Amino acid sequence: EVQLVQSGAEVKKPGESLKISCKGSGYSFTSYWIGWVRQMPGKGLEWMGIIYPGDSDTRYSPSFQGQVTISADKSISTAYLQWSSLKASDTAMYYCARHVGNPEYCGGDCFPDYWGQGTLVTVSS
Amino acid sequence: QSVLTQPPSASGTPGQRVTISCSGSSSNIGSNTVNWYQQLPGTAPKLLIYSNNQRPSGVPDRFSGSKSGTSASLAISGLQSEDEADYYCAAWDDSLNVHYVFGTGTKVTVL
Repeated sequence: EVQLVQSGAEVKKPGESLKISCKGSGYSFTSYWIGWVRQMPGKGLEWMGIIYPGDSDTRYSPSFQGQVTISADKSISTAYLQWSSLKASDTAMYYCARHVGNPEYCGGDCFPDYWGQGTLVTVSS
Repeated sequence: QSVLTQPPSASGTPGQRVTISCSGSSSNIGSNTVNWYQQLPGTAPKLLIYSNNQRPSGVPDRFSGSKSGTSASLAISGLQSEDEADYYCAAWDDSLNVHYVFGTGTKVTVL
């Protein structure tokens, strides 16, 4: 059974750094892209970017390029989403999602299929 | 601001058919396949339809998808109370930096 288990809720202050995680199991972690999706309170879904754990190839949405860092540790089947300096506007639920499709290039027919349970990040002074 | 536009809401009584539209452009729906997601209240999204009209295992055949040109639609036939949720279309956008985009979302209410 494919499972993505995310780290717990976080409460941080503006300016602080943060790294949240997503551990995959039940499938070959290095053979699928894995990405992150933001959902701000009461709002819709926003795709942030993806990483291919097999070779750490990473792509970002233009809206999130330079704002966050996506990484992965294939030795422990875990993907990460990281901020160096949080803002109040980063308050949101963050979901990781496995992407199924061409391992060499995620586009066109590549799409999120399995999702993590979400990590709530609250940034407040 | 999403490049895929959906109506904010849709509703129907149990047993009715509800259709949700998703309007895009030549750089996204016009050149890539469309996927649909269901998000029940307080839960993570779930894949409902992929590659325009394919249902993952376990998704009831009450849900169907279609695509024509730069638009797509999701139909729910035989609406049930448990279908009350938010629904999002999604596709790759090939403009400038290639990235995946979600629609604005539609809240379906079962009256």
